[in-house]
Amino acid sequence: DQQVKQNSPSLSVQEGRISILNCDYTNSMFDYFLWYKKYPAEGPTFLISISSIKDKNEDGRFTVFLNKSAKHLSLHIVPSQPGDSAVYFCAASASGANSKLTFGKGITLSVRP
Amino acid sequence: EADIYQTPRYLVIGTGKKITLECSQTMGHDKMYWYQQDPGMELHLIHYSYGVNSTEKGDLSSESTVSRIRTEHFPLTLESARPSHTSQYLCASTPDYSSTQYFGPGTRLLVL
Repeated sequence: DQQVKQNSPSLSVQEGRISILNCDYTNSMFDYFLWYKKYPAEGPTFLISISSIKDKNEDGRFTVFLNKSAKHLSLHIVPSQPGDSAVYFCAASASGANSKLTFGKGITLSVRP
Repeated sequence: EADIYQTPRYLVIGTGKKITLECSQTMGHDKMYWYQQDPGMELHLIHYSYGVNSTEKGDLSSESTVSRIRTEHFPLTLESARPSHTSQYLCASTPDYSSTQYFGPGTRLLVL
């Protein structure tokens, strides 16, 4: 059973608009969440993370929101740029799990010029 | 961000061959990981290590083996490659004080 779910496999957004990528999790022990960006044939690149003691973390154009009661997090990209087109993975970790991460299946974001 | 290297980047081999995928990092991270990833799927943890002489199997059963003789080096070996091993293999490391993993560029393996 998947513990981290990215239910929408793809998202298409126009350049300059907001991209919202969603992620749900089922394991209540998860307390640290990360987003990675991946281009084909390359390794994932760390984007942004959030601890469960926060509900928002911002870094430039990227903001991650965490709703613990709903077990839901989202990544907002504003404004979206064509170079943002990639696969975005949501990942989660639990304290005491020795930094092991559980990943979702990823969302393919396409930003149209 | 960690400096982590993987070689080769691409590999095409025949069934039955023995291969070793190399992974090295220069940050002195104790924790290192190997993942397998196919298009449209999540990253699956196949091996991890918390330091020299420490190796553990991950969540996904794998016919590969790993070794950790030096902190900076975490190679993965397939004794006899099969077409089912065709995939992208990703190596990652993380500092002790963090859960953020940093990935290498990956190795795309095709077994014919």
